[in-house]
Order: sequence, then C-alpha cells, then structure tokens
Amino acid sequence: QQQVKQSPQSLIVQKGGIPIINCAYENTAFDYFPWYQQFPGKGPALLIAIRPDVSEKKEGRFTISFNKSAKQFSLHIMDSQPGDSATYFCAASANNDMRFGAGTRLTVKP
Amino acid sequence: DGGITQSPKYLFRKEGQNVTLSCEQNLNHDAMYWYRQDPGQGLRLIYYSQIVNDFQKGDIAEGYSVSREKKESFPLTVTSAQKNPTAFYLCASSIIGNYGYTFGSGTRLTVV
Repeated sequence: QQQVKQSPQSLIVQKGGIPIINCAYENTAFDYFPWYQQFPGKGPALLIAIRPDVSEKKEGRFTISFNKSAKQFSLHIMDSQPGDSATYFCAASANNDMRFGAGTRLTVKP
Repeated sequence: DGGITQSPKYLFRKEGQNVTLSCEQNLNHDAMYWYRQDPGQGLRLIYYSQIVNDFQKGDIAEGYSVSREKKESFPLTVTSAQKNPTAFYLCASSIIGNYGYTFGSGTRLTVV
C-alpha cells in the first residue's frame, strides 16, 4: 500500500513555466517531508524539505507548500529550466521510517 | 569529500547465482538503507540498519540478505531466491531521526 501518493506521473512544461507536483499522505505521525531530485542513472539527491510547523519553505527557485489539515504538500519550481528535467520524489517520514511517492518525471522544453 | 560509494555500477548475474552489492559511507551516519527502484514504482525499502550488528527487514526483504559488521559498510546480497532481481539498487544513509537521506549512485543489476 502506498502511504504517500504523488501526482502527476509525468509533466511537460516550457522553459520559464512553473511545474507543480503534488503529494498526499494519510499517516498524521509523519513529521518530515523532503523532496528528492533524480537524474537518469544517478541516485536521488535531497532538494528541499519541510516540517509541519510551517506552511511554506523556499530555497532558490524551489518552494514547498504544506497544508497540514488537508495532509497535502507540493513542490513548485519557479522559472523552470531544461536542466531541471529529472524525476522528482516526495517523501514523508516518521520515527526514522521514510516513505516515498512513486515519482514524477519532469521535462522542461527549451 | 564525504559520501556514499556503491559498487559496481553495473552487474550481470546468471540465474541461480548469488551476488553482493557493496555500499560504503564516510559520513559517520548511524543508519543505512537499501532500496530497490523499478520504473513507475518509486523506491521500495529492502533492509535497513540503525546500528552495527543489527538490521531490520523492509517491505520487500524476501530473497535478499544484509550484514552490518562495520558502521561504514552495509553490503546487500541478492540471492537466487529473489525471483525478479533485475532492478536499480540504491543505498542510502542518514543520522538517526527524521532527516534527509544521502544516496549513492546506485547499482544496476541485470539477470542474464
């Protein structure tokens, strides 16, 4: 059973667009929500993370929005570039048990 | 530079053989993990360890075995009992608690 549901499965945007990837969870014990970026043939790399005491976190062009009551969180990429083309995974963790979404393959067209 | 090293990058195995994937970290992390990645299925946890000489099964441990004799090393053996072993295998490490993981570059295993 998937504890973290991620959508969409794939996403294509033009350069400069703002792709949005959404995740939802059920377990209210989750208290750490990271996003990972993975390029083909490489391991995922931690991109940005949020804890449930804040509703938004920005790091450069990447923003996480977090809605605790709806048990949803999303990743926004501002001014997307072709170099952002990768697979993005959301995750949620409780008691050192991290659960991953199924991933979103993002393509940013020049 | 600190990090996680997985080897080999590519591995081919004949049916019925056991193979061992290496994972070494110099981050001084207590926790280490093995994940399997298949297309469209995200990351599935095979085994994890939070302390030397102790490890726990994840969601898909059948057909796999691990050891944790040193803090820095967490090798994974894919046994002949694993019915569909062709996949991309990822090792990760972290400090204990809810913090981000550091992943290795992965090993792609193909059964021929």
